[in-house]
Amino acid sequence: DIQMTQSPSSLPASLGERVTISCRASQGISNNLNWYQQKPDGTIKPLIYYTSNLQSGVPSRFSGSGSGTDYSLTISSLEPEDFAMYYCQQDASFPPTFGGGTKLELK
Amino acid sequence: EVQLVESGGGLVQPGRSMKLSCAASGFTFSNYGMAWVRQAPTKGLEWVATISYDGSSTYYRDSVKGRFTISRDNAKSTLYLQMNSLRSEDTATYYCTRVLGAAWFAYWGQGTLVTVSS
Repeated sequence: DIQMTQSPSSLPASLGERVTISCRASQGISNNLNWYQQKPDGTIKPLIYYTSNLQSGVPSRFSGSGSGTDYSLTISSLEPEDFAMYYCQQDASFPPTFGGGTKLELK
Repeated sequence: EVQLVESGGGLVQPGRSMKLSCAASGFTFSNYGMAWVRQAPTKGLEWVATISYDGSSTYYRDSVKGRFTISRDNAKSTLYLQMNSLRSEDTATYYCTRVLGAAWFAYWGQGTLVTVSS
């Protein structure tokens, strides 16, 4: 199975700040990397697919990049509703696997 | 609007069975692959099983193979997960998802909690 490692596991940040969450795969995944947001009530929202494509309705302050084994999610200017858990996930090969998550917290 | 509504969760004893359902609406159910993803309490997300649009192909994580069965009824726009021989480590919130491509989980339900305990 492909292992996905996210960093940091916790990220304190302020409103308006630019933040980046990293995700590393244990082997190359050819840009087959997706990102999700989970709120404290458990609601999961898909954000980005295939490294950099925004899901419909996702604000443009979210962006994704990367290649090979290293990928990142950037939020250009944090809004109050962005403080949540974020997960990366690869679908390059079965089984699909998720990173351990990054908790974006208000500083 | 795409809606996925899970049901069937609850408390079950180890070794017993439980069947989850997911009622889909807002899209042509028979055109899409579907999957179950779970999350144990305070843990991360874990893919469980996937079924093709017509039910002809199914895929499972190793830890549930032989115990869980994913199925669908396209006439009822409903996805199922039959879980047998449940273990404490199956305790989790189970999410129903609509799949695009290989495994892009493009839409999620609100989840249903399954607790395996005596």
